[in-house]
Amino acid sequence: EVQLVESGGGLVQPGGSLRLSCGASGFTFSTYGMSWVRQAPGKGLEWVSYISSSGTTMFYADSVKGRFTISRDHAKNSLYLQMNSLRAEDTAVYYCARGLKDVGAANFDCWGQGTLVTVSS
Amino acid sequence: EIVLTQSPGTLSLSPGERATLSCRASQGVSSSYLAWYQQRPGQAPRLLIYGASKRATGIPDRFSGSGSGTDFSLTISRLEPEDFAVYYCQQYGSSQWTFGQGTKVEIK
Repeated sequence: EVQLVESGGGLVQPGGSLRLSCGASGFTFSTYGMSWVRQAPGKGLEWVSYISSSGTTMFYADSVKGRFTISRDHAKNSLYLQMNSLRAEDTAVYYCARGLKDVGAANFDCWGQGTLVTVSS
Repeated sequence: EIVLTQSPGTLSLSPGERATLSCRASQGVSSSYLAWYQQRPGQAPRLLIYGASKRATGIPDRFSGSGSGTDFSLTISRLEPEDFAVYYCQQYGSSQWTFGQGTKVEIK
């Protein structure tokens, strides 16, 4: 069974840092592009960041560029999101999502259950 | 950045009725990269349609997608109780992924 499990969320003060993790199982993790997508409380979905299957190409939404860093570890079948200089507007449930191979990771065919990040003093 | 605008914001229908949801892009979108997702309360999104009209694995055939260019639609032919949820369209282009703001399908 394909599974993505996020962890690492929590309460952090404005200006603080947090590292999210996403453990993958049930598929060959190293062959899929992966993304982080977030959802603020009661709001819609917002794409945050993408990393290619090889880990050599990364893209970011303008709202997080320069503050967030995406990475992956194939030996651990894990995806990460390092979040620095956090702001109140970063408060959201963060999902990791697998890119659909048929369309070069343009869409997302598997999602984790999400981890809540709350930025507040 | 391509902006996706979904309409209506809320659709109030009864089980068994037909639902038609719209997604309009601020500029042309590759049909290959247009998808629809369903999100039930407290759950992660689920891929329904990709490539504008291809059903994802395990999706019932009452869900269908169509459109091209800037206008796309998702149709649910006969609403089942489990279909009352929020639906999002999503596109990829120029190394950016964007979602529409969502359409809520609620029980009338």
